[in-house]
Amino acid sequence: SAVISQKPSRDICQRGTSLTIQCQVDSQVTMMFWYRQQPGQSLTLIATANQGSEATYESGFVIDKFPISRPNLTFSTLTVSNMSPEDSSIYLCSVGGQGIGYTFGSGTRLTVV
Amino acid sequence: AQTVTQSQPEMSVQEAETVTLSCTYDTSENNYYLFWYKQPPSRQMILVIRQEAYKQQNATENRFSVNFQKAAKSFSLKISDSQLGDTAMYFCAFSYSGAGSYQLTFGKGTKLSVIP
Repeated sequence: SAVISQKPSRDICQRGTSLTIQCQVDSQVTMMFWYRQQPGQSLTLIATANQGSEATYESGFVIDKFPISRPNLTFSTLTVSNMSPEDSSIYLCSVGGQGIGYTFGSGTRLTVV
Repeated sequence: AQTVTQSQPEMSVQEAETVTLSCTYDTSENNYYLFWYKQPPSRQMILVIRQEAYKQQNATENRFSVNFQKAAKSFSLKISDSQLGDTAMYFCAFSYSGAGSYQLTFGKGTKLSVIP
């Protein structure tokens, strides 16, 4: 299965600023997924990122708040923009498929103060 | 819409004993996949086991096995010979390929504590 390097592992940010999270995969993948895990909660899909096309966002998530870049088949970034304390969460990227299972990055723990 | 329900927010088990975590799901799809993921305090999501809906045989991975009841839409996880390292959050998840969508839908999780 693929190995994902996710950076940063954690950050503390001031409200109103933006943070960009990076995920690098050791193999080419078609789809990458970005999830949010709020404190004590389960994972919620933010968007699906395909190389060469606009990301597809789930209900409740918008591109202006969570812009996603997918410049090639091994890399993607998620930006959390104009942050507020409510954005404090763990953000995870994922790749894979149904037949082989999905691999996750190690997560980015974001705290907004 | 697909939903996944884990009715046990927390469970505990003595080391070396067996524990079963429950999961039910709701879908109108016939071809889908089910997964159990483990998330220890390190927050890394680790795939424990997966099941293809069209396979009647229950999946097993070493000490982990599932009881897949398709008609009842139930997918429980059994952990045998529990070890301290099994302490973690366990998430049940569902995936299907309808409309070209392959993402996972997760349950709310069960926090498992293995007691020495």
